Amino acid sequence: QKEVEQNSGPLSVPEGAIASLNCTYSDRGSQSFFWYRQYSGKSPELIMSIYSNGDKEDGRFTAQLNKASQYVSLLIRDSQPSDSATYLCAVGQGTGFQKLVFGTGTRLLVSP
Amino acid sequence: DAGVTQSPTHLIKTRGQQVTLRCSPKSGHDTVSWYQQALGQGPQFIFQYYEEEERQRGNFPDRFSGHQFPNYSSELNVNALLLGDSALYLCASSLGRKDQPQHFGDGTRLSIL
Repeated sequence: QKEVEQNSGPLSVPEGAIASLNCTYSDRGSQSFFWYRQYSGKSPELIMSIYSNGDKEDGRFTAQLNKASQYVSLLIRDSQPSDSATYLCAVGQGTGFQKLVFGTGTRLLVSP
Repeated sequence: DAGVTQSPTHLIKTRGQQVTLRCSPKSGHDTVSWYQQALGQGPQFIFQYYEEEERQRGNFPDRFSGHQFPNYSSELNVNALLLGDSALYLCASSLGRKDQPQHFGDGTRLSIL
């Protein structure tokens, strides 16, 4: 079992729709969770962080965390073609200092 | 406010050579982490530096070594390069406190011939 699992996609949605990206993790002790967006040939860009169970909203993005189910998700409302990218789920591991463990990413395609 | 800067942008080496990659953290950050990202994969943690000491290390051989300087900048050194070392090498900086988000530089793309 991989430490952080994501569906590789591609996930295809029409412009204006809600894109739902999912991630599961294996380490029950994890306390911090992050979503990064990575355009082709570029480096990961932090878009959301979440630490507590529930929802966290930032503009068109909503991160959801359920530690009991070891599940993290990212919702993108009113999807735009410019949202087309690979979305990486990262889980912080370690006490004191944390390393990030990444999933392989989900490729999102938003069609006009 | 300067973000994380990495140099060089691209590098081509041959098997057996050694390479040094450099990173300057975002202003105000004191912790530097290095990741390797192969094509189609998520980044893999190499190691992390804080107060000029290696604090955590991932599952990478001793050919991979690093250093952090008093100004928080960092270097990644790889010796005896293998074809499999071809990847995007990413530097991320953060505040030393636990759970703080890590911010990535643009990366160095290393190709081994």
